[in-house]
Formats: sequence, structure tokens, C-alpha cells
Amino acid sequence: DQQVKQNSPSLSVQEGRISILNCDYTNSMFDYFLWYKKYPAEGPTFLISISSIKDKNEDGRFTVFLNKSAKHLSLHIVPSQPGDSAVYFCAARSLGSAGNMLTFGGGTRLMVKP
Amino acid sequence: EAGVTQFPSHSVIEKGQTVTLRCDPISGHDNLYWYRRVMGKEIKFLLHFVKESKQDESGMPNNRFLAERTGGTYSTLKVQPAELEDSGVYFCASSPRGGFTGELFFGEGSRLTVL
Repeated sequence: DQQVKQNSPSLSVQEGRISILNCDYTNSMFDYFLWYKKYPAEGPTFLISISSIKDKNEDGRFTVFLNKSAKHLSLHIVPSQPGDSAVYFCAARSLGSAGNMLTFGGGTRLMVKP
Repeated sequence: EAGVTQFPSHSVIEKGQTVTLRCDPISGHDNLYWYRRVMGKEIKFLLHFVKESKQDESGMPNNRFLAERTGGTYSTLKVQPAELEDSGVYFCASSPRGGFTGELFFGEGSRLTVL
């Protein structure tokens, strides 16, 4: 059973507008959430993270929001740029996990149109 | 500084054959992970090394998969014998020792195609 779900496989946004990528999770033991970005033929690269004790973390054009009661997080990109076109993966770490084992969602392909 | 490197980038083998994937982590990174993405779905954890020791291998699908990290440097992942469902992209990632930051440094992946 998938513990981290990204229900939108793709999203298309106009350059300059806001991109909102969503992620839902089921495991209450997740204590840390991350977003990774992946370009074709490359490995995922870390983008931004948020601890479960916070509800918002911002880094430049990227903001992650966490709603623990709804078990939902979202990534906002403002303004969106064509170079942001990539697959975005939501990931979570379980409290007490022996190492840095991350559980990933299936990814959302973002296309930013010029 | 060199990133995580993986070899080969793509391997095509027949069912029943053996394949060995190699990962060179970032120098000095004690933590090394193997992940797999099958059929464009989610990226799934396979196992985690701390130096040469297996910290967590709960994600290894079965005993056809064998991972090693001799001397705590590079790692290999062997699939023997390969089955059709093993096809996918195998990612290696590394991170330094210390507190959890969430940031894993991934390689470009090794695509495995089993015919």
C-alpha cells in the first residue's frame, strides 16, 4: 500500500504563474517531508524540506506547506519558470527509522510553458 | 567535487542472466543507499549502508538481490538470476554522517532492462 501519494501525474502551468504540487500521506509516524526534483536521465536532486513540527518552510521561489491534520503537503513555486519543468517527488521519513530511509510518492510531471 | 557515479548507465540482459551494478558515492559519505524505480512509478527504498555495514535492508525484494560495500567505499548490487520484473532504474544515493537533513545525493541511475 502506497504511504505517500501524488495523485496528479502531471501539471501544466504558464510561465510566471504559480505551480502547486500536492502530496498526501497515510503514515502518522512520518516526521520529516521533502521534495525532490528530477530531470530526464538524471538522478533526483533535493529541493526543500519541512519538519513535522512546522507548517511552512520557504526557500526563494519554493514554499512547502504541511497540514498534519489532513496528512497533506504541498509545494508552491512562484513564479514558475520554464527551467522548473521536471518531475517532482514528494518523500517522507518515518520517525524512528534506523537511517535516512525515505518513502517516495509516484511523482508529478510539471510542465511550465513559456 | 565528484558526485555520485553509477555504472553502467544502461544494461540489457536476458531473463536468467546476472547483472552487477556499481555505485561510487561522494568521497567521505558514510551513508549509501540503493533505491529502485519500476515502470515510472514511485522510487522505492532497497537498502542502506553505513560504511560497510548494512543498516537496513528491509526493501530488498528477495534473495536474488545481493548488495555489498567492501571497505565502506563503493557498492555493488548484483541481481542473479534476473527476472522480467527487475527491469527499472536503480538509483544509488549517499549522504554524510551526522544529523538528518533529508538531503540525499543521488546518482544518475542505472537502467536495467530484462528481456
